Amino acid sequence: DAKTTQPPSMDCAEGRAANLPCNHSTISGNEYVYWYRQIHSQGPQYIIHGLKNNETNEMASLIITEDRKSSTLILPHATLRDTAVYYCIVLALYNQGGKLIFGQGTELSVKP
Amino acid sequence: EAGVVQSPRYKIIEKKQPVAFWCNPISGHNTLYWYLQNLGQGPELLIRYENEEAVDDSQLPKDRFSAERLKGVDSTLKIQPAELGDSAVYLCASSFRTGEQFFGPGTRLTVL
Repeated sequence: DAKTTQPPSMDCAEGRAANLPCNHSTISGNEYVYWYRQIHSQGPQYIIHGLKNNETNEMASLIITEDRKSSTLILPHATLRDTAVYYCIVLALYNQGGKLIFGQGTELSVKP
Repeated sequence: EAGVVQSPRYKIIEKKQPVAFWCNPISGHNTLYWYLQNLGQGPELLIRYENEEAVDDSQLPKDRFSAERLKGVDSTLKIQPAELGDSAVYLCASSFRTGEQFFGPGTRLTVL
């Protein structure tokens, strides 16, 4: 079973920030938070990951709460091409080569 | 840099027929994964290879599914015989010992 909880769907206006929440209240100290997305008819795409510090790359920012029980993926200026299903996944440090357990994800619709 | 290549992209067969999917991972990636994705669901791992060795095949239905990764590069996933319930997208991914997996576009299988 997935160890994360995400809202099933969200809408966002084009050009605005999209903030996608994820709860992982049972996360353990050696587990990272990973985010992937899947655009329709494509394979999943890695976005970003973090352990406890906030992270930023060219695609997004990841904000992890101090207690690490939840996180938020931020797309700062959403475009229509960001419409996709976004998956939040926890993955143990020792299991970096292991399987990703995908939940239902959040279906983000970016609207003009 | 070429991504993960899968073929065919689409396959339609009748039940009880055999089918095979092929995957060419990113050069240098020693870990290869096969995932199954049913409509509206997240991907589920079928098998993981470290070089030529299948290190996690616990979710592979071994009565009808088989996989191989000769020479630790390309991989083939086979179903024989196919059943109606096998209709799904079969995804291949590869990684270099990190949680960042690179996915191919998938093969959409329809069993009639």
